[in-house]
Amino acid sequence: QSVLTQPPSVSAAPGQKVTISCSGSTSNIGNNFVSWYQQVPGTAPKLLNYDNNKRPSGIPDRFSGSKSGTSATLDITGLQTGDEADYYCAIWDSSLSAWVFGGGTKLTVL
Amino acid sequence: EVQLLESGGGLVQPGGSLRLSCAASGLTFSSYAMSWVRQVPGKGLEWVSIISGSAASTYYADSVKGRFTISRDNSKNTMYLQMNNLRAEDTAVYYCAKGGVAAAGTGRYGMDVWGQGTTVTVSS
Repeated sequence: QSVLTQPPSVSAAPGQKVTISCSGSTSNIGNNFVSWYQQVPGTAPKLLNYDNNKRPSGIPDRFSGSKSGTSATLDITGLQTGDEADYYCAIWDSSLSAWVFGGGTKLTVL
Repeated sequence: EVQLLESGGGLVQPGGSLRLSCAASGLTFSSYAMSWVRQVPGKGLEWVSIISGSAASTYYADSVKGRFTISRDNSKNTMYLQMNNLRAEDTAVYYCAKGGVAAAGTGRYGMDVWGQGTTVTVSS
């Protein structure tokens, strides 16, 4: 059971928007930077967002991260079937000196 | 293009040892912290350990502390994970991942490049 709570699954139709939440506390999300990862089944994770809301080069602006207080969200707009994957939030918890991942959210594009 | 390639996985008996390697290319290796992250098939990601670019700082998950040792050889662009006293619950795919800076104690830049993983199975 992770200290970063994500919904187990979300779903939406192609072209629609979905929001994946990552809930924590002041000691974790509240005081640290959030990053998001996409993992298509059978492949390695890929960084989607870092520093709460920044995208690495090559990541479409359809993937947008934000953070407010003790929660973070990843918005995915213009859903495509290729977006079906597991999504993880993560932080470096400076009080634990450890990386912490959320439990992951499975996205289904109906 | 930055590439990471893990090796060294395999089948080992409980109580046994294994050393994983992560060979990096396309980067100034010593400029980046490196992590090991594992995943039990069908389960979520679990961070295992991180080492700073200079190897001066290392951190471990509580689940592996005292049994696993992370190290790196910057002259060979390679990171290692020595795993001792292995348990069934260590069975997982092990990924190496590159940090955004040399310091180990920051999450600001995430883990921006991942290897394809190597499978460790602990079973009698």
